[in-house]
Amino acid sequence: AQSVTQPDIHITVSEGASLELRCNYSYGATPYLFWYVQSPGQGLQLLLKYFSGDTLVQGIKGFEAEFKRSQSSFNLRKPSVHWSDAAEYFCAVGPDSYGQNFVFGPGTRLSVLP
Amino acid sequence: DTGVSQNPRHKITKRGQNVTFRCDPISEHNRLYWYRQTLGQGPEFLTYFQNEAQLEKSRLLSDRFSAERPKGSFSTLEIQRTEQGDSAMYLCASSLNSPLHFGNGTRLTVT
Repeated sequence: AQSVTQPDIHITVSEGASLELRCNYSYGATPYLFWYVQSPGQGLQLLLKYFSGDTLVQGIKGFEAEFKRSQSSFNLRKPSVHWSDAAEYFCAVGPDSYGQNFVFGPGTRLSVLP
Repeated sequence: DTGVSQNPRHKITKRGQNVTFRCDPISEHNRLYWYRQTLGQGPEFLTYFQNEAQLEKSRLLSDRFSAERPKGSFSTLEIQRTEQGDSAMYLCASSLNSPLHFGNGTRLTVT
């Protein structure tokens, strides 16, 4: 079965510092990969997606992610974090082999110090 | 694109009562999903529709849960005889292919 792990439950960075959030997945075929961001009490907003092609994908708000098939990873990066980036970040993979389900990781909470 | 709309935003109910949530997807999207999210966790898949057909249901979806999508437009999720363990954020998402577009969710509190 498909699964997604996000090893870091909580990360704290200073404003202006660089950021990398880790995501590892287990998937039987070529995956579709996604990163979503969620502010408190809100739904999830898509940051970026990978379907095929260039393994470095650009997203909104200055985020990028790199797909590494050999490591089964899809890590999210940002060169300079802003205070408004504080939120919960979810990695997702899908659809699964049974249909159209998408599997989400447990999330990484990002705190930003002024 | 008016986005995915969910109502109500918050629902507080007493244990044993029935509740119903509504989701209005993005109009041209043929797929509609329901997820449940508890504090500190990622969304967990509940069920999914393609047009009006319910194609997949999670084992998490007990007999007390039922979802419908009449005419392939809006969807409702009903929970009968609510339990405290049902307290969570219920998220609706829609898509045409990929990716998923989420609403802001309905937060259910069962007292």
